[in-house]
Amino acid sequence: AQKVTQTQTSISVMEKTTVTMDCVYETQDSSYFLFWYKQTASGEIVFLIRQDSYKKENATVGHYSLNFQKPKSSIGLIITATQIEDSAVYFCAMREGGGGYKVVFGSGTRLLVSP
Amino acid sequence: EAAVTQSPRNKVTVTGGNVTLSCRQTNSHNYMYWYRQDTGHGLRLIHYSYGAGNLQIGDVPDGYKATRTTQEDFFLLLELASPSQTSLYFCASSDDWGDSQNTLYFGAGTRLSVL
Repeated sequence: AQKVTQTQTSISVMEKTTVTMDCVYETQDSSYFLFWYKQTASGEIVFLIRQDSYKKENATVGHYSLNFQKPKSSIGLIITATQIEDSAVYFCAMREGGGGYKVVFGSGTRLLVSP
Repeated sequence: EAAVTQSPRNKVTVTGGNVTLSCRQTNSHNYMYWYRQDTGHGLRLIHYSYGAGNLQIGDVPDGYKATRTTQEDFFLLLELASPSQTSLYFCASSDDWGDSQNTLYFGAGTRLSVL
């Protein structure tokens, strides 16, 4: 069964620094999709970035990037030049390939960015 | 822009009561999901569906029924609500095609309190 684990409950950083959030996953599938979502203070959940398992290059979108380490079943989210508005809860998620469409989430990491 | 609408936004009921949470998506997506969010647990999958009439069981289905009546509408039913079902419920949709393939689009959430 697929499983996603985020062990960091909360992280506090100063503005304009770089932060990395950890995520490890378990799956029996050779093909899968990995995602990071952000939940803002208002409760809204939005998609940030994804990594397809067959792609070797780490995904990058704006100041978000991923550190995909397939042998370690790890998909870290890196936020560079953090801003106050990056303060939120970040969820890692996985969908298995092979025709399945079940999407499971980790427990989330709360990020606080201070001025 | 993808749109997922949940109703009601807030609901209070008593133990043993019947509750129906509604979700409508106008994205023409095939997949729809119901999650509950509780502190320390992140987003946990209750039920999900591929198209009208289809239902798949998620990871925390006990006490919940769901029905997908149309491509657009997915309902979550609590027939004998219990205090343990007090939670924040999210609906989401996704699909396999287009630039945003496999990305989940979330509704704003329904906060349910069972007294």
